[in-house]
Amino acid sequence: GNSVTQMEGPVTLSEEAFLTINCTYTATGYPSLFWYVQYPGEGLQLLLKATKADDKGSNKGFEATYRKETTSFHLEKGSVQVSDSAVYFCALRGSNFGNEKLTFGTGTRLTIIP
Amino acid sequence: EAGVTQFPSHSVIEKGQTVTLRCDPISGHDNLYWYRRVMGKEIKFLLHFVKESKQDESGMPNNRFLAERTGGTYSTLKVQPAELEDSGVYFCASSHSGTQYFGPGTRLTVL
Repeated sequence: GNSVTQMEGPVTLSEEAFLTINCTYTATGYPSLFWYVQYPGEGLQLLLKATKADDKGSNKGFEATYRKETTSFHLEKGSVQVSDSAVYFCALRGSNFGNEKLTFGTGTRLTIIP
Repeated sequence: EAGVTQFPSHSVIEKGQTVTLRCDPISGHDNLYWYRRVMGKEIKFLLHFVKESKQDESGMPNNRFLAERTGGTYSTLKVQPAELEDSGVYFCASSHSGTQYFGPGTRLTVL
């Protein structure tokens, strides 16, 4: 079945540091890949997505590239801010018609210190 | 446009009691999903409705869980009787096609 392996947390960085959160997946076919974020006290929000190989999703300074050769979708940001402190979830949706459930990683808690 | 809403935001019950969670999807979204996150682990799929029909309920853990979506609008998830291991955050999501939009979740604590 499908699975997502995500970088273990928690991760603590100083403001303006470079961020990478690793995510690799196992799936048949061509899944769609997502990063969701949960800010303190809030629900899950879609951060970015990519639906086919070599696509790059981007939003709010975050980027992730769908790498089929390495089955990865690592999240990056060049300069993090305190407001980026949150829990980040990598997820995939299978490519089979009718199979639309999301498979999530365990989440990575990110804390940015001033 | 209103987002996905869930009620209650937090529920504390004793083992053996019954709890009903509610989800109101984004208007016009035929697809409705339930997920849960237990003990800080990964978020796991429970089931998927298309309108009022259960498309996929492969993630439902056991028969203590009952989900309904009468009329194809809001959905309820009932846990009866609740056990300690049911504690966690229950998320609802809806979609028209493609991207799923999540609600804020219901935190369930079973004592």
